[in-house]
Amino acid sequence: DAKTTQPNSMESNEEEPVHLPCNHSTISGTDYIHWYRQLPSQGPEYVIHGLTSNVNNRMASLAIAEDRKSSTLILHRATLRDAAVYYCIPTYNTDKLIFGTGTRLQVFP
Amino acid sequence: DTEVTQTPKHLVMGMTNKKSLKCEQHMGHRAMYWYKQKAKKPPELMFVYSYEKLSINESVPSRFSPECPNSSLLNLHLHALQPEDSALYLCASSQAPGGRAAGELFFGEGSRLTVL
Repeated sequence: DAKTTQPNSMESNEEEPVHLPCNHSTISGTDYIHWYRQLPSQGPEYVIHGLTSNVNNRMASLAIAEDRKSSTLILHRATLRDAAVYYCIPTYNTDKLIFGTGTRLQVFP
Repeated sequence: DTEVTQTPKHLVMGMTNKKSLKCEQHMGHRAMYWYKQKAKKPPELMFVYSYEKLSINESVPSRFSPECPNSSLLNLHLHALQPEDSALYLCASSQAPGGRAAGELFFGEGSRLTVL
């Protein structure tokens, strides 16, 4: 599995955009890039995934670098409910999701 | 119904006790997972069941015994645990077992276990 590097923590103000980076320089050609988040006292929650092209859904956008060695999760307008630990997981085999240390996002009113 | 339900939410047990954690989903998913999460650490994969058969065991000690009685239920039987086994135990399910790349995992809220 590809190793990932994410900032330990990030801060944002409410209603501002947030860009959460992830480096995965050892990613293989068949690995999808998955993002999950874990709110306090809850299990992880799927956010988004992609392979090569940028992806959008109701929760977030995923921007993938052309060489696929990095990606950025974009929350367009952060809310207090977005405070969570965000995990970037490059993998083909979703039967073996391996969580790294993730980025703890704090959102201030 | 997109829920994975775990019971109990909290469990305290002694080192000589036998207890079980239960997980249930009614989404028709055919892959189910157990993860363990220590405080302030990421979840760690323990077991994967595909079509009710154990497909992955991440070298978990035998004092943890998983069971999948049917496609909706997953149990984790606990026996002779150690205090260091105290953690949040998370269950998850997905529609497509077998390593399909695009499968989304649905997690329950977890069962918080304390071993005295």
